[in-house]
Amino acid sequence: EIVLTQSPGTLSLSPGERATLSCRASQSVSSSYLAWYQQKPGQAPRLLIYGASTRATGIPDRFSGSGSGTDFTLTISRLEPEDFAVYYCQQYGSSPLTFGGGTKVEIK
Amino acid sequence: QLQLQESGPGLVKPSETLSLTCTVSGGSISYSSYYWGWIRQPPGKGLEWIGIIYYSGSTYYNPSLKSRVTISVDTSKNQFSLKLSSVTAADTAVYYCARHFSSAYMDVWGKGTTVTVSS
Repeated sequence: EIVLTQSPGTLSLSPGERATLSCRASQSVSSSYLAWYQQKPGQAPRLLIYGASTRATGIPDRFSGSGSGTDFTLTISRLEPEDFAVYYCQQYGSSPLTFGGGTKVEIK
Repeated sequence: QLQLQESGPGLVKPSETLSLTCTVSGGSISYSSYYWGWIRQPPGKGLEWIGIIYYSGSTYYNPSLKSRVTISVDTSKNQFSLKLSSVTAADTAVYYCARHFSSAYMDVWGKGTTVTVSS
């Protein structure tokens, strides 16, 4: 099973700032089969990125994903008020599908 | 617009079987590119993938739960279901159903349903 470790656990930033979230895998994720999700309190997760860098339908271009192998990054170029949430990475390169523990982006 | 809706008891007794159904509306469960599955989230914790099913009935389960999980599909009702046997308090969670693109990432989610295991 591939274990995903997300860092930092909490990121305290102000609106307009840049957020950089990390997701590290315990072994190489084949073909960059990595996705990112956003979850707000009381809501289901929402798909942001798949294939490490492809934005899902309707996702603003301030969200971008990068990386390969074992190291992946989600970047939010300029935080909007609605971006403060918890973010999860998920790998689908091997079974079972696994999620990282999440990074909370909070208002500073 | 595709929508998924979970339904089932919100309270289950220890050692009993948890049963949930996901109803798919706005589209067919028989799309060839998609699998249908379940994910859960214990209170205040992260996400755990439970398993998926294809409309033909092929299934893939998380090995950590495999001995207790059964996922089934009813294409005539556009529904799929989860059964988790011998539940304990550790199975208390919000349970989500979700569409999986090609058994991979989850692109459409239900709103989730809370299941509490308690006597």
